[in-house]
Amino acid sequence: DIQMTQSPSSLSASVGDRVSITCRASQTISKFVNWYQQEPGKAPKLLLYATSTLDSGVPSRFSGSGSGTDFTLTISSLQPEDFASYFCQQSYSMPWTFGQGTRVEIK
Amino acid sequence: QVQLVQSGAEVKKPGASVRVSCEASGYTFTSFDVNWVRQASGQGFEWMGWMNADSGKTGYAQKFQDRLTMTRATSTNTAYMELSSLRSEDTAIYYCTRGRRRPDYSYSMDVWGKGTTVTVSS
Repeated sequence: DIQMTQSPSSLSASVGDRVSITCRASQTISKFVNWYQQEPGKAPKLLLYATSTLDSGVPSRFSGSGSGTDFTLTISSLQPEDFASYFCQQSYSMPWTFGQGTRVEIK
Repeated sequence: QVQLVQSGAEVKKPGASVRVSCEASGYTFTSFDVNWVRQASGQGFEWMGWMNADSGKTGYAQKFQDRLTMTRATSTNTAYMELSSLRSEDTAIYYCTRGRRRPDYSYSMDVWGKGTTVTVSS
């Protein structure tokens, strides 16, 4: 199985900050990584797929980059509604696997 | 609107089975896959398996091969997940998701149900 190692596990930031979260795959996965946001007590929501394509309705302050084994989710200017948990997931080969998540908290 | 509506919370004893339903609306059910993913309290996500909603073909994570069954009823646009021989470690929120393969071969779970809490306790 492909292991996804996500970092940091949590971070504190202020509204307006630029925030980056990274995910490293245990083998090359081309561009096949997705990013999800999960607010407390809610189901996850797809943010980006295939590394850098925004899902419908996702604000442009979210962006993704990377290829091969290293991937990054960036929020260019953190908004109050962005304080949540974020997960990466590889879709290169089954079983689909997820990173352990990053909790973004208010500083 | 596109949504997946899951059945309600379940409490089961060890050794029992649980069946969770997932009713799709707002899209053509048979044009997409259904995946099941679970999340134990305070933990990450664990993918359990997928089903092609058109053909009914399934694929399960090795961990669940011998006690997981995914089925569907196309007449009611409903997918089902049944997990047998339950143990305390199966206590989790179970999500159904819509699986989508795009022309660039990428695959993502782009719609999620709200989750069904399954508690396994004696």
